[in-house]
Amino acid sequence: QQQVKQSPQSLIVQKGGISIINCAYENTAFDYFPWYQQFPGKGPALLIAIRPDVSEKKEGRFTISFNKSAKQFSLHIMDSQPGDSATYFCAASDTDKLIFGTGTRLQVFP
Amino acid sequence: KAGVTQTPRYLIKTRGQQVTLSCSPISGHRSVSWYQQTPGQGLQFLFEYFSETQRNKGNFPGRFSGRQFSNSRSEMNVSTLELGDSALYLCASSLIPGGNTGELFFGEGSRLTVL
Repeated sequence: QQQVKQSPQSLIVQKGGISIINCAYENTAFDYFPWYQQFPGKGPALLIAIRPDVSEKKEGRFTISFNKSAKQFSLHIMDSQPGDSATYFCAASDTDKLIFGTGTRLQVFP
Repeated sequence: KAGVTQTPRYLIKTRGQQVTLSCSPISGHRSVSWYQQTPGQGLQFLFEYFSETQRNKGNFPGRFSGRQFSNSRSEMNVSTLELGDSALYLCASSLIPGGNTGELFFGEGSRLTVL
């Protein structure tokens, strides 16, 4: 009930391509869905977040797509750059605590 | 504005020992959460403290404990260390508690190796 399932575990994309990471949840009480980006040796940092009253949120090259009925949400990185190479975590929460997915290691090659 | 500071950054312990990790939140942040990060498991919630009170606890054994001081600084303790406790322990602070109330600001973590 409390899990957030994330896929793929790793992703290799060519520079300029689109990176897509998917997450699924079961708890319908979740009402906040952030994505965090983590570089090696650093702590995760908030990238973008969405609440279930909208189906999409875009910030620059990063877009969250949210499907409430399917209980799924995804991160799209357009025009992927080598500097985007990092580990990405989706997360979901209610008023209780933030539950993270297992992470996706993205590598963008020039 | 200083970020979240965690000490020590690296430490090596042997099985059976105990360890204390420290976290200083961003100034003005009163909520501190702790997470354990391991390869393949992602970030697993340990506990959250707000105003010196444990507000929430994850599914970890009683060997894992924590506390928060009046200046919002927090410590976590792991007793009777096991090999499986080897991980990166992350502290995060926020203005107000609760998982859905906004951004968590993470420190760089304390990497614990248990031999």
